[in-house]
Amino acid sequence: GIQVEQSPPDLILQEGANSTLRCNFSDSVNNLQWFHQNPWGQLINLFYIPSGTKQNGRLSATTVATERYSLLYISSSQTTDSGVYFCAVYGSNYKLTFGKGTLLTVNP
Amino acid sequence: NAGVTQTPKFQVLKTGQSMTLQCAQDMNHEYMSWYRQDPGMGLRLIHYSVGAGITDQGEVPNGYNVSRSTTEDFPLRLLSAAPSQTSVYFCASSYSGGADTFGSGTRLTVV
Repeated sequence: GIQVEQSPPDLILQEGANSTLRCNFSDSVNNLQWFHQNPWGQLINLFYIPSGTKQNGRLSATTVATERYSLLYISSSQTTDSGVYFCAVYGSNYKLTFGKGTLLTVNP
Repeated sequence: NAGVTQTPKFQVLKTGQSMTLQCAQDMNHEYMSWYRQDPGMGLRLIHYSVGAGITDQGEVPNGYNVSRSTTEDFPLRLLSAAPSQTSVYFCASSYSGGADTFGSGTRLTVV
């Protein structure tokens, strides 16, 4: 099956700093998603981004499908951005495969 | 809209017991899926469904059964609980693949 690797595994920031999270995947995919899991466990879909760039407020994501990676940018981080960020991909069989996540801690 | 509703939120089972985790969505989504989340492992797909009457296995299907008799409901059955099934379980739904909306999760402990 498709392998998904995320880096870094942990990241600690001061409020207001910017960050970049990376997701590498091992095969061509139909789609890629980024999720945020808050400290209370709730999972939120941030982006569907099979290719190109999308922006939503302080978050943006870029996927370069031909090179099999995606980047999630967080600008002017806030404490509410803390949590785990997951990347996940699926192919034609709709089986969603997750990476192990990046644990982000934003300190005030 | 309620979104995706999972019940129960917490459950303790004895080894060998069976139970059903309920998942219901009111968004008319065709695609529904079940995941388990273990520390350091991310989420792993157990079973999924692309529509009523259609289900398929994910990455870790052993010990679990599913059925999809309606668009709204996608229950997950543990046949004979084992300590290795101690985990947090999430149900999700989407319009066409992936996961748009997650339930709030079920924390299951098997003793």
